[in-house]
Amino acid sequence: DTEVTQTPKHLVMGMTNKKSLKCEQHMGHRAMYWYKQKAKKPPELMFVYSYEKLSINESVPSRFSPECPNSSLLNLHLHALQPEDSALYLCASSQDLRNEQFFGPGTRLTVL
Amino acid sequence: AQTVTQSQPEMSVQEAETVTLSCTYDTSESDYYLFWYKQPPSRQMILVIRQEAYKQQNATENRFSVNFQKAAKSFSLKISDSQLGDAAMYFCAYRSAMNYGGATNKLIFGTGTLLAVQP
Repeated sequence: DTEVTQTPKHLVMGMTNKKSLKCEQHMGHRAMYWYKQKAKKPPELMFVYSYEKLSINESVPSRFSPECPNSSLLNLHLHALQPEDSALYLCASSQDLRNEQFFGPGTRLTVL
Repeated sequence: AQTVTQSQPEMSVQEAETVTLSCTYDTSESDYYLFWYKQPPSRQMILVIRQEAYKQQNATENRFSVNFQKAAKSFSLKISDSQLGDAAMYFCAYRSAMNYGGATNKLIFGTGTLLAVQP
């Protein structure tokens, strides 16, 4: 298995909802990443996990809450989002922090 | 701080022709990696090609090759025999190879070049 999967593909939520994005990889990678990408812009790094521990938080608002329950799974919990949070959320993984990243297909999030 | 610049927001190429996408970067480091990622309308970021700065030889992957000019800090991507499936946004990216005590060496992206392929 050489891919990163993300669910759901699309998500529409209201500003008072709580939802979660899921990312999974079975390549034995020990680093996992969340990115946010606006249309026609490059991805912006949000969080990095290394060996299931949060390594980097790029000053992301607390309405985004990451979780890494095990080495294969990465979640992003969403609560009280704003319309400007609408974007494509990409997950990536790498063998460790020093190797190239492989990206998932993303979740298209719309906040109403 | 490192920066990556892609000066061509959009480009177009005829099917079967060759196109070159430009990328320049700025760094004071001597050891780093450079990447080209492709993002088609399907959204998935796909690694196209990777170059280690310490390697003189330009990387090649099938129809994709790079022209890496370390002194000029230039890293262009050449796509030969362009196909309709090559239409995508292409991002150039830089990553340090220095060891910062375990902190990740972040990918620094350029702003992207949107490539259209005309049949």
